[in-house]
Amino acid sequence: GEDVEQSLFLSVREGDSSVINCTYTDSSSTYLYWYKQEPGAGLQLLTYIFSNMDMKQDQRLTVLLNKKDKHLSLRIADTQTGDSAIYFCAENPGGYNKLIFGAGTRLAVHP
Amino acid sequence: DAGVIQSPRHEVTEMGQEVTLRCKPISGHNSLFWYRQTMMRGLELLIYFNNNVPIDDSGMPEDRFSAKMPNASFSTLKIQPSEPRDSAVYFCASSLMAGGKETQYFGPGTRLLVL
Repeated sequence: GEDVEQSLFLSVREGDSSVINCTYTDSSSTYLYWYKQEPGAGLQLLTYIFSNMDMKQDQRLTVLLNKKDKHLSLRIADTQTGDSAIYFCAENPGGYNKLIFGAGTRLAVHP
Repeated sequence: DAGVIQSPRHEVTEMGQEVTLRCKPISGHNSLFWYRQTMMRGLELLIYFNNNVPIDDSGMPEDRFSAKMPNASFSTLKIQPSEPRDSAVYFCASSLMAGGKETQYFGPGTRLLVL
């Protein structure tokens, strides 16, 4: 079945790197996504990766995809207090016009 | 581009009352999604439309919930009668599926409190 799993909580020190992990189940997913939700706001698309790629880098963000293990990770370099938010991983199972979201990982950045 | 627009942003009502949530998707998008978010259950997909037609409403909790999309630029989610357990943040999202890429853009949400 369709399922996306994430750890629920991550705490890091300001300036350190954060790594948020996600596992998904549908190998037919063409794209995989990371969304960010700040307090009191909607989900905002952060980045995505095409399934035939292993890595995508966008400024402080690095997405790694291990398709064999169905594992996706988001690395945030030089984490800032403004990065404190909930991060959702999502897959787009092949043939479906919808996304399957994980439960979200709450990232807390402390000084 | 104004993004996805939802109204009202906040709604407080009493149990038994009818609640109507509204959504205007991004112009040109052909899919629209309604989600509910609570602390206990996380983010749940309630229903989605493709080209104004409901495709999957399996996430709608019960018959008290109904959704319509009369045209490409407007959708409503109605709860009648409302109950305290319906208290949640309701998000609308829209997308234009192209080349297998399903990028959804979310509205700011409607915070519903049923007393």
